[in-house]
Amino acid sequence: DQQVKQNSPSLSVQEGRISILNCDYTNSMFDYFLWYKKYPAEGPTFLISISSIKDKNEDGRFTVFLNKSAKHLSLHIVPSQPGDSAVYFCAAGVFKISSGSARQLTFGSGTQLTVLP
Amino acid sequence: DSGVTQTPKHLITATGQRVTLRCSPRSGDLSVYWYQQSLDQGLQFLIQYYNGEERAKGNILERFSAQQFPDLHSELNLSSLELGDSALYFCASSVGGTSGLNEQFFGPGTRLTVL
Repeated sequence: DQQVKQNSPSLSVQEGRISILNCDYTNSMFDYFLWYKKYPAEGPTFLISISSIKDKNEDGRFTVFLNKSAKHLSLHIVPSQPGDSAVYFCAAGVFKISSGSARQLTFGSGTQLTVLP
Repeated sequence: DSGVTQTPKHLITATGQRVTLRCSPRSGDLSVYWYQQSLDQGLQFLIQYYNGEERAKGNILERFSAQQFPDLHSELNLSSLELGDSALYFCASSVGGTSGLNEQFFGPGTRLTVL
């Protein structure tokens, strides 16, 4: 049962254009969402996050949008650069105070982004 | 550099053997998480420790166990290894608790190959 799904295994975009990576989730208990970037032979690197009380969070070239009613989030990268080429993972967790200090993340299967020069 | 260290980087062993993977969290982080990434798969959560105590358990096999020591480093023990245990094992750390600081920071991983 995949609670977090990234349905596009790969995406190619031209340098300077917008990259849009999508993620869907099924567990309505999730209240915190994160995006990670992963280069080969390295661990995932945290990019940006969003709480379920917000619908948008922006950090430089990266913006995450959350649509709770559709259980959908997306990561926008503008403008895309060749160095952005990596696997992007969407992750979600339950971070309510009532869950105590349990903070495990559920990850999607990743989307390979290739930015073409 | 995330500040999370993992050793060894690579491990090659035979079926039936036992190995120990080690993780040192970022300075100040109390929570340690272990994840497994098999070929072409996403990261699967195994187990979380917070300040020495187990906090959450995921899809961790009974052959696997973990602990977090008083100095907050953690070890993941894998025993009676099978070919299917070959994977990348990542450790992550976070401030943890109810701090509101929810981001997890990952180490470079240990690549385990079981022959």
